[in-house]
Amino acid sequence: QSVLTQPPSASGTLGQRVTISCSGRSSNIGSNTVNWYQQLPGTAPKLVIYSNNQRPSGVPDRFSGSKSGTSASLAISGLQSEDEADYYCAAWDDSLNGPVFGGGTKLTVL
Amino acid sequence: EVQLVQSGAEVKRPGESLKISCKASGYSFTNYWIGWVRQMPGEGLESMGIIYPADSDTKYSPSFQGQVTISADRSISTAYLQWSSLKASDTAMYYCARGPLTTIGTDEGFDYWGQGTLVTVSS
Repeated sequence: QSVLTQPPSASGTLGQRVTISCSGRSSNIGSNTVNWYQQLPGTAPKLVIYSNNQRPSGVPDRFSGSKSGTSASLAISGLQSEDEADYYCAAWDDSLNGPVFGGGTKLTVL
Repeated sequence: EVQLVQSGAEVKRPGESLKISCKASGYSFTNYWIGWVRQMPGEGLESMGIIYPADSDTKYSPSFQGQVTISADRSISTAYLQWSSLKASDTAMYYCARGPLTTIGTDEGFDYWGQGTLVTVSS
C-alpha cells in the first residue's frame, strides 16, 4: 500500500491530452512539493517534473504539473507513442521524514 | 556530466550478506543527498533511505530501518547499501539516485539515477 494514491492505469490516443492524478495527505503533498517520474520499460526512472510544475532541462513542454491542497496532477499533451511508460508521483513526508512514492500509473498510448 | 554507476547484478543465498555500490562522478559528491530506491519484480518504487555524504546524516524509511545500512565513502565518491542477512523477499532491482533534498533543504526530486543493481536471493 503506497503512501500516495495514483490510478493504476490511464490511456489516450496519439495527440490527445491525458492527466494522471496523485492523492496524498497534509503531511506530504499538503505541505511539500510534488515530483513526477517516468519509467520506460526496462530502464531507470527519469525525473520529468519537480517542485510541482518545473521541468528539468530536456523534458518537453508537453509535460506539465500542478498541485492543489493534498492532490497533484501530471498532464501530458500531444500524446506520443514514446510517452507510453509508468509514471510515479513523489513527495517528502514530514511524518515519515523521507520521500514517499505513489503506486505508479501505467500509461498506454492507443 | 553527472553519472551514477552501480555495481553489477548479484545472486545470493538467504542468510548471506551483501554490499552494493553507487559511484558518483561529474559533481561535488558531498554537496548532494543520495538515496536508494527499491523496485520489486513487477512493482512500484519504494524509497529506502537517503544519506548526506558530507556528514553521513542518514534518514531511513520506517519499512527499511534496521533491515539495511546506507553509508558513503567521501574519499571515493561512493554510496553503499548493505544487508547483513538477505531474505528471498529482498529480491529486487535497487537504484541509487541523487537527491531529493538540495543543500538548502528543498525537495527537487531525484534528478539523476544509476542504472540499477538486480539482487536475486534464492536457495
